[in-house]
Amino acid sequence: KQEVTQIPAALSVPEGENLVLNCSFTDSAIYNLQWFRQDPGKGLTSLLLIQSSQREQTSGRLNASLDKSSGRSTLYIAASQPGDSATYLCAALQGGSEKLVFGKGTKLTVNP
Amino acid sequence: DAEITQSPRHKITETGRQVTLACHQTWNHNNMFWYRQDLGHGLRLIHYSYGVQDTNKGEVSDGYSVSRSNTEDLPLTLESAASSQTSVYFCASSEWGTDTQYFGPGTRLTVL
Repeated sequence: KQEVTQIPAALSVPEGENLVLNCSFTDSAIYNLQWFRQDPGKGLTSLLLIQSSQREQTSGRLNASLDKSSGRSTLYIAASQPGDSATYLCAALQGGSEKLVFGKGTKLTVNP
Repeated sequence: DAEITQSPRHKITETGRQVTLACHQTWNHNNMFWYRQDLGHGLRLIHYSYGVQDTNKGEVSDGYSVSRSNTEDLPLTLESAASSQTSVYFCASSEWGTDTQYFGPGTRLTVL
């Protein structure tokens, strides 16, 4: 059974800092790895999707990497801003299904 | 623009009552999902559907049911609401191959 873990559960940084959020998964037979953002009281918004054959994906100040062999993904946020404050969730899509298995998220606070 | 909507956004009900939460998507996606989100547990899959007349049980399906009579809608029914079903419920949809799931805004359900 796939298990997805995110460490740390919460992170507080000053504005302008570069930061890394970590995600690990136990079963490497994934189809892809996705990163979502969730604002308080809102639904999830897809940020980046990395296919199993890819090593990384970039969107603006965000860069996500995937290392299937070690069961790890990282989300790198450059030059953080207060507007980046949110909970970030990673999720693994199992091969042969359309089902996502989610981590519990990292709550990020960027202080002005 | 295509979207996914949920109704109601907030619901308070009593133990033992039947409750139905609506989910409607205009993406014309084949796949639809229901999750619940609880502190300490993250997002957990309740039921999912890969198309009309198809429904499948997820990780935490006991006490819930769904039906898929058309592409756009996947209502979630709580047969006899219990206090343990107090949670925030999210609906999502995706298309085969693209894999990204699009999430609705959520329904906050309180069972007293």
